[in-house]
Amino acid sequence: DVVMTQTPLSSPVTLGQPASISCRSSQGLVHSDGNTYLSWLHQRPGQPPRLLIYKISSRFSGVPDRFSGSGAGTDFTLKISRVEAEDVGVYYCMQATHFPRTFGQGTKVEIK
Amino acid sequence: QLQLQESGPGLVKASETLSLTCTASGGSISSSSYYWGWIRQPPGKGLEWIGSIYYTGTTYYNPSLKSRVAISVDTSKNQFSLKLTSVSAADTAVYYCASLDWDILCLTMWGRGTLVTVSS
Repeated sequence: DVVMTQTPLSSPVTLGQPASISCRSSQGLVHSDGNTYLSWLHQRPGQPPRLLIYKISSRFSGVPDRFSGSGAGTDFTLKISRVEAEDVGVYYCMQATHFPRTFGQGTKVEIK
Repeated sequence: QLQLQESGPGLVKASETLSLTCTASGGSISSSSYYWGWIRQPPGKGLEWIGSIYYTGTTYYNPSLKSRVAISVDTSKNQFSLKLTSVSAADTAVYYCASLDWDILCLTMWGRGTLVTVSS
């Protein structure tokens, strides 16, 4: 299985300040069709995850532009330009290039 | 807009079979645009992919669960289902159904999730 490793596991941030989460995969995530199926999800307490970013850097419908994704190969990053109160929760990266689909262990973002 | 809703028993005895159903509304299970998946999350832990099914019935299972899992689809009821046999306490989790977009291979819509507790 492809292991997805996120850092940090916990990120205390100040409102209005940026935040960054790293995700590293144990294998390259470029699919045979040339796409890289790396996505980011956000889960608030007591709620299901929701999609933020797909194919490394494309924002899903309705996702604020303060969220951005970047990376290539095995190293990927999610950035929040200015953290808002509603951004607290756990962020997961997920790869869908290889079977089985796998998730990172999650990064908890909380307000200082 | 597509919505998904899980249903099934919240308590299952150890060694028995866990059975859950996901009902879609606002969209068709027969759509060629989605795979339909099951993901679980043990209390306080991360996400684990269980498996997925296409409307044609083609399935993909996580090898770690493959010997115990079966996912099926009922297009007439706009539902897909999960069966997990020989459950143990390790299978206690919130179970989510979700849609995996066929084109961009990401989980675009999730159900609210249902907690299944395995009792001894």
